[in-house]
Amino acid sequence: SVLLYQKPNRDICQSGTSLKIQCVADSQVVSMFWYQQFQEQSLMLMATANEGSEATYESGFTKDKFPISRPNLTFSTLTVNNARPGDSSIYFCSTGTGLTEVFFGKGTRLTVV
Amino acid sequence: QQQVRQSPQSLTVWEGETAILNCSYEDSTFNYFPWYQQFPGEGPALLISIRSVSDKKEDGRFTIFFNKREKKLSLHITDSQPGDSATYFCAPYQGGRALIFGTGTTVSVSP
Repeated sequence: SVLLYQKPNRDICQSGTSLKIQCVADSQVVSMFWYQQFQEQSLMLMATANEGSEATYESGFTKDKFPISRPNLTFSTLTVNNARPGDSSIYFCSTGTGLTEVFFGKGTRLTVV
Repeated sequence: QQQVRQSPQSLTVWEGETAILNCSYEDSTFNYFPWYQQFPGEGPALLISIRSVSDKKEDGRFTIFFNKREKKLSLHITDSQPGDSATYFCAPYQGGRALIFGTGTTVSVSP
């Protein structure tokens, strides 16, 4: 199994500022995924990040707003640029190994005021 | 994103009854179908899963029924308990790709 550590657990930031969310795996993984979850809604896949290449973003998410870095096989950072109250949600990192194993971080709860 | 639909959106059952949650998907390449349980304030946790080569998977009070031809599956929670009150997500998967979460079903079990 893979353990994913997210930091911070929660944060409050002012509108217009940027926030970085880190995800660290306890072993090397090929792909890392980032999800956004608004309260009482489903998890929405934001992007897929592989080492050494630009992240692939899903519809509705852009590199300018949510830049993602993946400098090595155990680390990824999601940045929320120009944060707005509408970005207030929980952000999860995830990874998969083999055919069926999927793992999640505990999430980062972001509140933008 | 791929469409994964769940119904009903919410469901209330009495303790001891069976809750039936439905899921349908479009992408025929999905070959693994986990269900996740999520309590408020927590991340999703794997509850039970089935591979596309099977049509039924049972784990205690939780059973998945899978119809590959119709691209549908259901989760049955028998003898529902108040502790089962949570949101359940169907999240079809193909190895190496990201999970695609369904719209979710919120289950409330009344004692």
